[in-house]
Amino acid sequence: DTGVSQNPRHKITKRGQNVTFRCDPISEHNRLYWYRQTLGQGPEFLTYFQNEAQLEKSRLLSDRFSAERPKGSFSTLEIQRTEQGDSAMYLCASSLNENNEQFFGPGTRLTVL
Amino acid sequence: AQSVTQLDSQVPVFEEAPVELRCNYSSSVSVYLFWYVQYPNQGLQLLLKYLSGSTLVKGINGFEAEFNKSQTSFHLRKPSVHISDTAEYFCAVRAYSSASKIIFGSGTRLSIRP
Repeated sequence: DTGVSQNPRHKITKRGQNVTFRCDPISEHNRLYWYRQTLGQGPEFLTYFQNEAQLEKSRLLSDRFSAERPKGSFSTLEIQRTEQGDSAMYLCASSLNENNEQFFGPGTRLTVL
Repeated sequence: AQSVTQLDSQVPVFEEAPVELRCNYSSSVSVYLFWYVQYPNQGLQLLLKYLSGSTLVKGINGFEAEFNKSQTSFHLRKPSVHISDTAEYFCAVRAYSSASKIIFGSGTRLSIRP
């Protein structure tokens, strides 16, 4: 499968714990995006990378959130001290460049108890 | 800033009937327009996009959409739906000047009755 992959697919955690999600983009796609989708809503942009550089961050991305793409390939999204409001589907997408289609992964569903 | 309004949260239709999913957008700058589909437990998939040119855009699975600049609308249509079209559909925009951010509507759940 050469699409965007995300791990884990599901994560259940207790409030206050830290969680980390991984996204593997389509090979050779230099842009990688993170979105968050809450129940009954469309995805909301969080941040994006061009290669290893994080070029834009949404105001939704609080200080407890951090994203990295150290080698310009896979990316990780970490949430520290999780809160119940962090429960959502976290989607990753990649594109070849800014004018190309964004291909989405299946998402990581986070449940914070 | 841009925003997208999908007027119907749910649309039930009978199999083989036509369907229209409505989308209106607001933007102070020129935008590209998209429709995405999300099947259960799957990621978003691009159905079609309007970048420029003809205002009638044809996409995958027999869907089409028409861009209406004066009404700031981009409604999605299919003349005859199938059970397999059951999914959530998202209208979205991206500003010409934005290198990244896609703004999505809240989605319309299309349910097909046999």
